[in-house]
Amino acid sequence: DVVLTQTPVSLSVTLGDQASISCRSSQSLEYSDGYTYLEWYLQKPGQSPQLLIYGVSNRFSGVPDRFIGSGSGTDFTLKISRVEPEDLGVYYCFQATHDPNTFGAGTKLELK
Amino acid sequence: QIQLVQSGPELKKPGESLKISCKASGYTFTDYAMQWVKQAPGKGLQYMGWINTQTGKPTYADDFKERFVFSLETSASTAYLQINNLKNEDTATYFCARWYPRIWFAYWGQGTLVTVSS
Repeated sequence: DVVLTQTPVSLSVTLGDQASISCRSSQSLEYSDGYTYLEWYLQKPGQSPQLLIYGVSNRFSGVPDRFIGSGSGTDFTLKISRVEPEDLGVYYCFQATHDPNTFGAGTKLELK
Repeated sequence: QIQLVQSGPELKKPGESLKISCKASGYTFTDYAMQWVKQAPGKGLQYMGWINTQTGKPTYADDFKERFVFSLETSASTAYLQINNLKNEDTATYFCARWYPRIWFAYWGQGTLVTVSS
């Protein structure tokens, strides 16, 4: 199975700071059709997860442009510029390139 | 607007069965697959599988090939997750989520908390 390793496990930030989360895959996530099925989700406390980024770098409808996804192959990053209070929660990466599809273990973004 | 509304919390004993519902609105139900995700208390997300809403064919992740059944009632725009022979380790919140081309979980239900305890 593909293992997604997220680092750090937790991240303490000051509002207005930039935050960066890494997601490393045990195998390349580029599919045979050239697309990379790598997504990022945010789960705020007590809520369902919500989609932020799909296809490595595409922001979902309504997602602010301070969320930036990047990467290729096995190495991916989610950057949040100017962290705001509503950005706090747990971030998960997810891959759907390989069966079984898998989530990373999560990165908790909290206030310093 | 697109909404997925799940049924309420459940408290069950080991060995019992349950059926969770996920009612969709705001789109044509049979146009998009429905996914299921498990989250044990204080833990991360685990992908369970999906059901083709046109054909009714379910696909299960390895950990969910026994005791778990995905089904549909298309006339009611509703997807179901049935769990048979419940075990303590089934205690979790279960989410339904709608697929979109090249997006696995575009829209999410609010989650259903299942507690299994004797």
